Order: sequence, then C-alpha cells, then structure tokens
Amino acid sequence: AQTVTQSQPEMSVQEAETVTLSCTYDTSESDYYLFWYKQPPSRQMILVIRQEAYKQQNATENRFSVNFQKAAKSFSLKISDSQLGDAAMYFCAYNSNSGYALNFGKGTSLLVTP
Amino acid sequence: ETGVTQTPRHLVMGMTNKKSLKCEQHLGHNAMYWYKQSAKKPLELMFVYSLEERVENNSVPSRFSPECPNSSHLFLHLHTLQPEDSALYLCASSQGLGEETQYFGPGTRLLVL
Repeated sequence: AQTVTQSQPEMSVQEAETVTLSCTYDTSESDYYLFWYKQPPSRQMILVIRQEAYKQQNATENRFSVNFQKAAKSFSLKISDSQLGDAAMYFCAYNSNSGYALNFGKGTSLLVTP
Repeated sequence: ETGVTQTPRHLVMGMTNKKSLKCEQHLGHNAMYWYKQSAKKPLELMFVYSLEERVENNSVPSRFSPECPNSSHLFLHLHTLQPEDSALYLCASSQGLGEETQYFGPGTRLLVL
C-alpha cells in the first residue's frame, strides 16, 4: 500500500515571503503521479500542481513549484511571494498509473500573516 | 455551471432518515468518485465509477449506496446512518482512471444526529 506523509501539521509565513511544505511518500511502483491540492475554508479541494514521476523536470505553476526527489521519495511544495489568499490546508496526494484512488496525506495548515 | 457541483452543501439528518447526495460534473469526464473527509483523518475513497460501472468499493458500509445513472451524475444514497458518519463528502471526476487528475466539487457537510 502507498502512504503519504506530511510531517508539518501547521506552517506560518509572512506575506511576500517564501515557504516550503514537505511531503514524503512510500511506493514500490515506478510509474505514478503526485499532486498538491489546496483546501481553503470553503472546503473546495483545488488542484495546485501535478508532477509525473517519469519527468525529471520539476513542475511549476506561477508562484508554486515543487522539488521532486524520486530516489528520496520526497515531493515538497514551494510557494513564493506568499499572499493572504494562499492561507489554506495543503494536501499532498499520490496516484499510481494503475490505481483509482488518490492517497492523501493528513495535510498542512498554512497561515499567512500580513 | 462549470466544473463539479454538489448538492446539498449542508445536510442534517437523523439516524432513521433517508437522504441522497447529488454530484454533477460539467467537464465531459468518464470517471467519478466519492470521498469521505473526517476531522483529523486523511481523505478516504469510498466509491469509483468509470463509464457508469462501479470499479471500486472500498469496504464501505451498506448504509451508503452509490448510483451512477450516466457519466455526468453521481448519487450517494444514505440510510440509517450513525453519528460517526458525520463528515464532509467530496465528489470528484477525472477524464479516466489512474494518471488522470481528479477535480473536486465543493463537498456536502453532513451531520448525523
């Protein structure tokens, strides 16, 4: 079974600063996909970024980027120029090419202070 | 409407009630999912449908009964629930299974009294 671990229950960052959220996962598969989702107080789960394991290049989406270390099974999310609207729960998730379910971590609550 | 919608957004029911949650996706996807999100627990997959066929039933109690009449609609029928079933129920859809990105609806917050 695959497991996803987010070791930081809460993180805080000042507006305009950079923050990195950690995620590690355990799998025996070689072909899989990793995601970061954001869940603001509205509870809508919103896709932030996606990474294919076969790609060596780290995914980026505007102010969001990942540091994907396949050998270490690590998948951290970096948020640059943090904004108040970035405050939310952030979930790391895994899915294999042959799977159905997204396997989620327990989440990291990000607080953004002015 | 765009994306994935869910109704109702909030639901309070007694343990003897029967109610249904509705999910509709406007993305032209072929797979739909129900997830349960309880406090302090990771999201749990409940059911997966692909092209209206159920492909996964993740050991969910029979008091939860899914229905997928077509690829755009997914229902979760609820009966004789327990207080521990109180949670946020999230619907998602994707183009296919496996590698495809899943897109979520806003959820139904359920309280069982």
